[in-house]
Amino acid sequence: SQTIHQWPATLVQPVGSPLSLECTVEGTSNPNLYWYRQAAGRGLQLLFYSVGIGQISSEVPQNLSASRPQDRQFILSSKKLLLSDSGFYLCAWSVRLWGRGRKDTQYFGPGTRLTVL
Amino acid sequence: EDKVVQSPLSLVVHEGDTVTLNCSYEVTNFRSLLWYKQEKKAPTFLFMLTSSGIEKKSGRLSSILDKKELFSILNITATQTGDSAVYLCAVENSWGKFQFGAGTQVVVTP
Repeated sequence: SQTIHQWPATLVQPVGSPLSLECTVEGTSNPNLYWYRQAAGRGLQLLFYSVGIGQISSEVPQNLSASRPQDRQFILSSKKLLLSDSGFYLCAWSVRLWGRGRKDTQYFGPGTRLTVL
Repeated sequence: EDKVVQSPLSLVVHEGDTVTLNCSYEVTNFRSLLWYKQEKKAPTFLFMLTSSGIEKKSGRLSSILDKKELFSILNITATQTGDSAVYLCAVENSWGKFQFGAGTQVVVTP
């Protein structure tokens, strides 16, 4: 079965410090991968999504970047964090499953709660 | 630009009540609509809907999609305090991109 890992679970960082959040998926190959951010009491905002190694689409201009160095690894980074970067960061994956009417769906990792002070 | 609007934004009900949540959408090249339940952690998947008029059921939860009128509803019958959560609706386009609504916060009181 497929699983998705994110770490760390919680992170407190000072303003201006760098950031690296990692997400890995097991049990599947060539997944679509996504980074979302959720501010307190708000919906999910899509930050980046990737359909393959080295292929990243950025949805929102910001001081964050993403990379996909391996098929099942997705990294979210920042060189200098802002206060507004605080939030709940979620990695997700989806994969196309054809046959018997099944199609894509999307599953989330456990998330990283980031507080920038 | 793809758009998903959920209503109401929040509601409070008593245990045993029935709840109906709405999700309307505008999306280019619709592929699917998904419902998630989120407590104080990552969202958990509930339903994926791709065809109009076919109800999906899981216990006390059910959902249906209307692709002509561009909306979906999520029903929860005989609510329990464990149903308290934020319910998220998302639509997927043919490029595999998901757009989420702001969510509906449901509070079920004993």
